[in-house]
Amino acid sequence: ILNVEQSPQSLHVQEGDSTNFTCSFPSSNFYALHWYRWETAKSPEALFVMTLNGDEKKKGRISATLNTKEGYSYLYIKGSQPEDSATYLCALGLTDSNYQLIWGAGTKLIIKP
Amino acid sequence: NAGVTQTPKFQVLKTGQSMTLQCAQDMNHNSMYWYRQDPGMGLRLIYYSASEGTTDKGEVPNGYNVSRLNKREFSLRLESAAPSQTSVYFCASSSVPYSTDTQYFGPGTRLTVL
Repeated sequence: ILNVEQSPQSLHVQEGDSTNFTCSFPSSNFYALHWYRWETAKSPEALFVMTLNGDEKKKGRISATLNTKEGYSYLYIKGSQPEDSATYLCALGLTDSNYQLIWGAGTKLIIKP
Repeated sequence: NAGVTQTPKFQVLKTGQSMTLQCAQDMNHNSMYWYRQDPGMGLRLIYYSASEGTTDKGEVPNGYNVSRLNKREFSLRLESAAPSQTSVYFCASSSVPYSTDTQYFGPGTRLTVL
């Protein structure tokens, strides 16, 4: 059974601080890695999809990096704001032709004003 | 442009009752998915439809059936609800059924089975 692990499970961060969290996956099965942001009572929204070792993506204050050889991705948030409070999900794609994504349980981020 | 819509938002059933969850997308996507989300676990795929006219089982299909009514609509049916099916159900769609393609999610249906 393939597992995608996210750590930590939850995280409290002071407003204005920067933070990061991890998505770990079996490197031998990698094809694509997605990050989604899920606010309470809303739909999960896509942040990034990465496919190449060393990929780095950025959207505003949020960025992500990918290491396929060691099987991890980091999501960074710079200068956290209250609107960053959400659960951040990562999902592993195994092959191009297989639609199925293996999802992590998420990191719940709470920004303290 | 509503994206992905789901009905109902909330539902309470008694054990043994049946119901259908509706999902529609207006993005002209080919592929649609049904997931369930349980506390402490990642999203788990119940069924998917790679394109209109096809459906396939995902990771946790037991106790569910689906219908891809047309390109826009993909419904999920619980024939005889069980307490283990208490969960939040998400419908999603993507342009193509590739693992590099972004999936767009509906707002979810919170189902409680008593």
